[in-house]
Amino acid sequence: QQQVKQSPQSLIVQKGGISIINCAYENTAFDYFPWYQQFPGKGPALLIAIRPDVSEKKEGRFTISFNKSAKQFSLHIMYSQPGDSATYFCAARNEKLTFGTGTRLTIIP
Amino acid sequence: DAGVTQSPTHLIKTRGQQVTLRCSPKSGHDTVSWYQQALGQGPQFIFQYYEEEERQRGNFPDRFSGHQFPNYSSELNVNALLLGDSALYLCASSLVPNTEAFFGQGTRLTVV
Repeated sequence: QQQVKQSPQSLIVQKGGISIINCAYENTAFDYFPWYQQFPGKGPALLIAIRPDVSEKKEGRFTISFNKSAKQFSLHIMYSQPGDSATYFCAARNEKLTFGTGTRLTIIP
Repeated sequence: DAGVTQSPTHLIKTRGQQVTLRCSPKSGHDTVSWYQQALGQGPQFIFQYYEEEERQRGNFPDRFSGHQFPNYSSELNVNALLLGDSALYLCASSLVPNTEAFFGQGTRLTVV
């Protein structure tokens, strides 16, 4: 019940396109859903986060869509740039953070 | 303002040895959590310290232990190292439990 399932495992998007990463969870006790960006050799950095009482949150080019009834949430990166190439992790918190397995995003020119 | 700092950045140990990793939280943060990130995987929660007490623990054996000092810095100790303990060990700090977590750059532990 503590699992967070993330897809796809890897994603290639053309520069300027939209990158979409999806996550699903089972535990309804989760109360906070962050997305982290991680570059090779670095620790995860918080990108954007949402609480379950909100259906969408937008910060710059990054948007989280949250569907409480379906227990799913997704990250949309608009106008994807080569600098966005990294591994992205969704997570869910119930006292502790439970992470998805990660999506390696590659933005090509 | 320094963020979360971890030391050392890299470490090579032999199977059966013991290791101690260190973490200094972000200024003003009193909660420290430790995570293990195997290659190609998401971080897995090991335990959390708050007010010098272990507050939460994940599914890790007793070989993994920790400590938090009065200045809120923390140590992660792993005894009887196994090859499978090779991973990136991440420390995260937050203002208090259940608030935004900030991660350090991690310690890459290799067990040979």
